[in-house]
Amino acid sequence: RKEVEQDPGPFNVPEGATVAFNCTYSNSASQSFFWYRQDCRKEPKLLMSVYSSGNEDGRFTAQLNRASQYISLLIRDSKLSDSATYLCVVPPPNSWGKFQFGAGTQVVVTP
Amino acid sequence: EAQVTQNPRYLITVTGKKLTVTCSQNMNHEYMSWYRQDPGLGLRQIYYSMNVEVTDKGDVPEGYKVSRKEKRNFPLILESPSPNQTSLYFCASSLFGGSNEKLFFGSGTQLSVL
Repeated sequence: RKEVEQDPGPFNVPEGATVAFNCTYSNSASQSFFWYRQDCRKEPKLLMSVYSSGNEDGRFTAQLNRASQYISLLIRDSKLSDSATYLCVVPPPNSWGKFQFGAGTQVVVTP
Repeated sequence: EAQVTQNPRYLITVTGKKLTVTCSQNMNHEYMSWYRQDPGLGLRQIYYSMNVEVTDKGDVPEGYKVSRKEKRNFPLILESPSPNQTSLYFCASSLFGGSNEKLFFGSGTQLSVL
């Protein structure tokens, strides 16, 4: 089993709709989590940090479920510009330097 | 501006011709790392460095070398590139590589080995 798993999608979402997807992680000691957005062949850019139960930033909400070991990202009122791949990143629970990455979830927002 | 600078952005080479991809950060970060990204496989770690002169293998180190002689620089060296090293490469850094830290990424290097 991979350390971090994501549904690759694509999630095809009509403009204005809500979309949500999950990221599961295997190491129960993981303390913090990050969602990055990646546009085609560009560098990943930080979207949200999740340190406790969740975080909200405008139309984006991230939630953490420690019991089931997953984090979710919800996008409300989707915009065409939200079309991207969303990467789940899990830092090392100790300072061993190995960040774990999901393969990414592709979201396509359609007019 | 705080950033990770990676060069070149695009590189086409031939099998066996040694090349170096440079990576530099201006944030005084201790931790730096290299990743390759291939379709369907996500980001895979090649090497990482926790500090000057401290480097360690990631998940896919074969065919790559790194060095960390100064804190700010972490070059990736391909001594004898092969076509299976054609990929999109990213350098990244964080303060200490610790549990609550986010990664800062360079803009990527698209490498094609013919």
